[in-house]
This record gives sequence, C-alpha cells and structure tokens, in this order.
Amino acid sequence: ETGVTQTPRHLVMGMTNKKSLKCEQHLGHNAMYWYKQSAKKPLELMFVYNFKEQTENNSVPSRFSPECPNSSHLFLHLHTLQPEDSALYLCASSQSTSGLKNIQYFGAGTRLSVL
Amino acid sequence: GQQVMQIPQYQHVQEGEDFTTYCNSSTTLSNIQWYKQRPGGHPVFLIQLVKSGEVKKQKRLTFQFGEAKKNSSLHITATQTTDVGTYFCAGPDDKIIFGKGTRLHILP
Repeated sequence: ETGVTQTPRHLVMGMTNKKSLKCEQHLGHNAMYWYKQSAKKPLELMFVYNFKEQTENNSVPSRFSPECPNSSHLFLHLHTLQPEDSALYLCASSQSTSGLKNIQYFGAGTRLSVL
Repeated sequence: GQQVMQIPQYQHVQEGEDFTTYCNSSTTLSNIQWYKQRPGGHPVFLIQLVKSGEVKKQKRLTFQFGEAKKNSSLHITATQTTDVGTYFCAGPDDKIIFGKGTRLHILP
C-alpha cells in the first residue's frame, strides 16, 4: 500500500462515453501527477498539480481534462477518447515538485480500454 | 529539452548472473532516482542519489551516480526471480523526467 489510491482499477469505455478516473493520496503531499503508460511510451507525464494549481500540461489532448479540487484529490475526466488512448493511467504524488522532495509515490493505476 | 536515456531496453539473464542498467542525462542533474515496476504492478521508488560519485547499496543492488552527475547505474549481483521487472531512472530538476526503462527477464 503506497498511500495513493486509484479508482477504478479497470475501465472499458466506448469512444462516445464520458468517464472519470479518481486518485486520492493520504501522504500529506502537495503535488500530484497523472502519467500514461503504454507499450510505446513507458512513462509519459501528462499533468502536474502543485498546491492545487496546474503547473505542467505536457501537450495533452483536450479530451483529457484534469481536476484537482484539493491537494489530496485528483481527477482525470475523459470524453470522446480514441482507441490509442488505451493504456495504464497512473497517478502519483510527491512532497514537492522539485529538488529532493519530488520522489514519486504511485497508485496502482487504472487500466483503460477504449473500444 | 532535457532527456534521460536508459540502456539496454531489455536484458535477459540466467538466474544467478549479474545485471546492470545505465542511465544518461543530456544535462547535469541535481539528483537521480531509481524505480522498479514489477509485471502488472506500478513503479515503486528504490533510491535517490544526490552527491557526485555517490554509491549506495541495498542488499544485492548497487547504485552509482557519476562524477559529473550526468549518468547513473544500477547493478544487481546474483539475480533472483524476484528481480524481474522494469527498472526506471528519473532525472528530476525542475520537472521529473523518466527514462524508458530496462526490462529485466530472468531465465531459470
């Protein structure tokens, strides 16, 4: 148990569906992250939030919409996804976004399949 | 932009043999982190190296940070089946960047 909980663990959705991924961290960290992991690009950083503010958007398509209501919760809203978006989506948290305090604590991930 | 390159991409070793993965950065790093991801699992933090030339050990794992702080290595002595997985290095400065990882397969 890493202190970072992701739900759901598995998700199958059609291209016209809207769904959301949820992440919660119980570590008292200030930064949260979304990563995409696929066979082609092993660990691809998508978004970074620090103290609820988005500090990084790594050229992610607008069909992925993150939300960070507080430092403990992070959502990824999905709509009109493509089959190539099928991947493992990992959430992580860290004490800080820089320096020696950005050690990443990952959740177990959501395995997403887009049909 | 900053890049973190890892080699090899895959490594097959006989159980009991040694294994090494290398990580190289295009820029000087303030520190480097190593993670392990078991098959079907998620990345788990192993260690952070900060000082130039630093060497740290965790049982059969030896981690090194280069003198110029632009490269690092992870060496596993006498591999066991529990070592199977993908090993990632990450070179954070103002933003964290992961290498593509080295996938280790152990042949019994």
